[in-house]
Amino acid sequence: QQQVKQSPQSLIVQKGGIPIINCAYENTAFDYFPWYQQFPGKGPALLIAIRPDVSEKKEGRFTISFNKSAKQFSLHIMDSQPGDSATYFCAAHHTGKLIFGQGTTLQVKP
Amino acid sequence: DADVTQTPRNRITKTGKRIMLECSQTKGHDRMYWYRQDPGLGLRLIYYSFDVKDINKGEISDGYSVSRQAQAKFSLSLESAIPNQTALYFCATLGWDSTDTQYFGPGTRLTVL
Repeated sequence: QQQVKQSPQSLIVQKGGIPIINCAYENTAFDYFPWYQQFPGKGPALLIAIRPDVSEKKEGRFTISFNKSAKQFSLHIMDSQPGDSATYFCAAHHTGKLIFGQGTTLQVKP
Repeated sequence: DADVTQTPRNRITKTGKRIMLECSQTKGHDRMYWYRQDPGLGLRLIYYSFDVKDINKGEISDGYSVSRQAQAKFSLSLESAIPNQTALYFCATLGWDSTDTQYFGPGTRLTVL
């Protein structure tokens, strides 16, 4: 059972565009929602994270929007750059475990 | 030096062979995890351990076993490898006093022929 659903599976934007990746979850006991960024040949690395008592968190060009009532959260990348091309995973945490979404492959064209 | 290391980085083996993937960490974290990554399926939890004496099954533990030899070492074994275990495998760690950030190793690409 997939408890965290992520979309789209892939995304292509032009440099400067604002890609948006969406995730939806089912379990209301989740208490922490991180996003991980993965470059080819590397392990995932934490990008930004939010707790459910906050509706938005911004770090540099990356913003998480969180809608607790809809059980949805999304990642926005402002002024995207070719160096942002990577695979992005959302995740949800409960009792020491992370449940990951399916991943989104982002390509930012110059 | 990397905080979480995995060996080997790449492995090709045949159906029926026993394979061990090793993970070591220098972060001093108690919690360790094994995931497999498949295209379109994300990262799925195989096994996890909250301390040396604690081993727990994840969502896809069938066909796998683990050993927590020390706080810093967590090994994943495939007792009799099969082709659908071809995947990218990641080890990760988490400390009790962290902000729930998991730190991932560089991954092991396993191919079962």
